[in-house]
Amino acid sequence: EVQLVQSGAEVKKPGESLKISCKGSGYSFTSYWIGWVRQMPGKGLEWMGIIYPGDSDTRYSPSFQGQVTISADKSISTAYLQWSSLKASDTAMYYCARQYCTNGVCYTVDYWGQGTLVTVSS
Amino acid sequence: QSALTQPASVSGSPGQSITISCTGTSSDVGGYNYVSWYQQHPGKAPKLMIYDVSNRPSGVSNRFSGSKSGNTASLTISGLQAEDEADYYCSSYTSSSTYNYVFGTGTKVTVL
Repeated sequence: EVQLVQSGAEVKKPGESLKISCKGSGYSFTSYWIGWVRQMPGKGLEWMGIIYPGDSDTRYSPSFQGQVTISADKSISTAYLQWSSLKASDTAMYYCARQYCTNGVCYTVDYWGQGTLVTVSS
Repeated sequence: QSALTQPASVSGSPGQSITISCTGTSSDVGGYNYVSWYQQHPGKAPKLMIYDVSNRPSGVSNRFSGSKSGNTASLTISGLQAEDEADYYCSSYTSSSTYNYVFGTGTKVTVL
């Protein structure tokens, strides 16, 4: 069974750093892209970017380029999303998800993690 | 990049059929058959319902169907049930840059 299990909820102060995780199991972790999706309170889904754990090729949505860093450690089947300096506007639920991409084209997202709630407040 | 456009809300009575639209451009919905649809219940992660415009993953009810015409994709739910009340999002590859992807604005489906 394919599973993506994310780290727990976080409460941080503005300016702090944060790294959340997403551990994949039940499939070949290095053969599929892992994406991150933001959902701000009461709002819709926003695609942030993706990483291919096989070679760490990483792509960002123009809206999130420079705002976050996506990485992966294939030895432990885990992808990460990190911030160097959080802002209150980063408060949101963040989902990781398995995505099909090939030759520059991304198709569907078929499996999702349970989400990690990040709250940034002074 | 701009989100795909969906109606904010759609409602119907049990047993009826409803259709949710998803409008993009020739750079995304209209240019590729890579439209997907997701269902999200409150407090839950999204669930894939349709991929590649009209394909259903294993386990998804055949009451859900997808189609596309020009720059607009559609999700139809037939035989509406109370459990179908949720938010629905479309998505598509966008050629605005390589390895790029965009979601729709989301539609709240209410079962009356």
